[in-house]
Amino acid sequence: AQRVTQPEKLLSVFKGAPVELKCNYSYSGSPELFWYVQYSRQRLQLLLRHISRESIKGFTADLNKGETSFHLKKPFAQEEDSAMYYCALRAYNQGGKLIFGQGTELSVKP
Amino acid sequence: EAGVAQSPRYKIIEKRQSVAFWCNPISGHATLYWYQQILGQGPKLLIQFQNNGVVDDSQLPKDRFSAERLKGVDSTLKIQPAKLEDSAVYLCASSLVGFPGDTQYFGPGTRLTVL
Repeated sequence: AQRVTQPEKLLSVFKGAPVELKCNYSYSGSPELFWYVQYSRQRLQLLLRHISRESIKGFTADLNKGETSFHLKKPFAQEEDSAMYYCALRAYNQGGKLIFGQGTELSVKP
Repeated sequence: EAGVAQSPRYKIIEKRQSVAFWCNPISGHATLYWYQQILGQGPKLLIQFQNNGVVDDSQLPKDRFSAERLKGVDSTLKIQPAKLEDSAVYLCASSLVGFPGDTQYFGPGTRLTVL
């Protein structure tokens, strides 16, 4: 069965420090991986997806099929990065549904 | 473009009562999803529609939950009767076609509290 694991419920860093939010998945095929973000009082929104290989708001994520991971990284955290971050997987043979991890709350302190 | 709309935003009911949630997807989006997000967890898919047909309802508790998408646009999710464990945020999302490579856009959610 497909599963997404985010081991940290809360990650607290200081402004300017590097950030890495961990995401591991289990899926036997080739998944599509996403990071969604939810800022305070806002709706869940797509941050980035692995197939785009792009950097959004300074965040990057690389799919490592060997380690079945899709960690989200940013070299220098900003206070406005404070939010809930969800890693999600979509299986190619199961329509469009997303399977989410439990989420990691990122708190960036001044 | 207007985003996914949901109503009501908040609802408080007592157990065994009924409740209904409404969702209006982004115009032109063929695929509509209902997710349940229990506090401290990530969203979990309840049901997926492609136009007005059901694609996946494997995790919908069909003894108490029902959903419809008449005319392939708006959708309603109903719970009857509600249980304490149904307290959650119910998220509606829509996407253009529902295929890999597609982007899901989420509504603001309806926060349900069952007392």
